[in-house]
Amino acid sequence: AQSVSQHNHHVILSEAASLELGCNYSYGGTVNLFWYVQYPGQHLQLLLKYFSGDPLVKGIKGFEAEFIKSKFSFNLRKPSVQWSDTAEYFCAVIPTGGGNKLTFGTGTQLKVEL
Amino acid sequence: SQTIHQWPATLVQPVGSPLSLECTVEGTSNPNLYWYRQAAGRGLQLLFYSVGIGQISSEVPQNLSASRPQDRQFILSSKKLLLSDSGFYLCAWSDVYSNQPQHFGDGTRLSIL
Repeated sequence: AQSVSQHNHHVILSEAASLELGCNYSYGGTVNLFWYVQYPGQHLQLLLKYFSGDPLVKGIKGFEAEFIKSKFSFNLRKPSVQWSDTAEYFCAVIPTGGGNKLTFGTGTQLKVEL
Repeated sequence: SQTIHQWPATLVQPVGSPLSLECTVEGTSNPNLYWYRQAAGRGLQLLFYSVGIGQISSEVPQNLSASRPQDRQFILSSKKLLLSDSGFYLCAWSDVYSNQPQHFGDGTRLSIL
């Protein structure tokens, strides 16, 4: 079975700082990868996804993530964070051809200070 | 467009009482349906998923059960709630024909007293 690790549980940054949230997965086959975001008081929403092709994927609100297959990683990045990026971020993985059961990481709480 | 409705948004129940959370999806047919729980300090945990009416798979042993009486209705239940059932419950759906990410409801905050 697949698993996902998010090593940073809480991250505090100042506005305009650069962001990188780590995500590593464990699975013996090919996977699809996702980052979800949950803003305070709102529902989960998709930030970006990787299915195939260019390993550098761009999502909404200036976020991007890079799939490094050799490292089993899918780190989330943003060059310059804003206060409105304060939220909880979840990495998720699903085996290709393995049904629709997403496995989530434990989440990273990001707080951006003014 | 597709929408997912989940209610109630918040619920406070005494230990030992029954539970029924409902989730409905509109604008799609034969979706895969899911119940997740997000406990404090922990990530999302898949509790149940369903690929069709009456077809329920349980991912973890627990005090809860799920039912799918109609194609776009998914119900999470318990006969007797435990303190450990407190948490944030999310319903989600996905398109059965493609490996697409799941769409989530707004969640139910369940507090057991």
